[in-house]
Amino acid sequence: TQLLEQSPQFLSIQEGENLTVYCNSSSVFSSLQWYRQEPGEGPVLLVTVVTGGEVKKLKRLTFQFGDARKDSSLHITAAQPGDTGLYLCAGARGGGSNYKLTFGKGTLLTVNP
Amino acid sequence: DVKVTQSSRYLVKRTGEKVFLECVQDMDHENMFWYRQDPGLGLRLIYFSYDVKMKEKGDIPEGYSVSREKKERFSLILESASTNQTSMYLCASGGGRGYTFGSGTRLTVV
Repeated sequence: TQLLEQSPQFLSIQEGENLTVYCNSSSVFSSLQWYRQEPGEGPVLLVTVVTGGEVKKLKRLTFQFGDARKDSSLHITAAQPGDTGLYLCAGARGGGSNYKLTFGKGTLLTVNP
Repeated sequence: DVKVTQSSRYLVKRTGEKVFLECVQDMDHENMFWYRQDPGLGLRLIYFSYDVKMKEKGDIPEGYSVSREKKERFSLILESASTNQTSMYLCASGGGRGYTFGSGTRLTVV
């Protein structure tokens, strides 16, 4: 059972376009993170959101945690080729195993110049 | 700059060999994790450790073992490498607010 569903799986856009990727679940998470992974490298943590409805901005990237803490979105404004990579969301369920994250399978983003 | 360091970026091993993958973190984290990443399957948890000498099986522990003798070091062992263990192996440390990953080891078993 895949607890975190990411969509779309693949996204190819032109430089300058805007995009949104989604991370959805039927489960409630105490926190949710977004990572970016470049080819041949490990994922790098971009942001952690912990409060339902929370919005965080990181330059051209906007992250939102759903009110019910079951879903999240990542919006990129004016995408650049340097944004190319695999975007992973991950959630912590809380309680005694809060340190153990559940990962989605990712959205592979290609930004063409 | 905080780091998780994996000992090798690329490894080629023969079927049946015993393989050691080493991971060291400098953040004093209690929790450390080993994942493998394969196209279409995402990140799959092999083993994790929440304290020195403590370990727990993840989702796909078969064919693997781990060792954590010191807080900063977490080793993954392939007892007898097989071709279906060819993969990208990622070590991480951290907790519910996020993980720091190493750069990965691309292991090929021939």
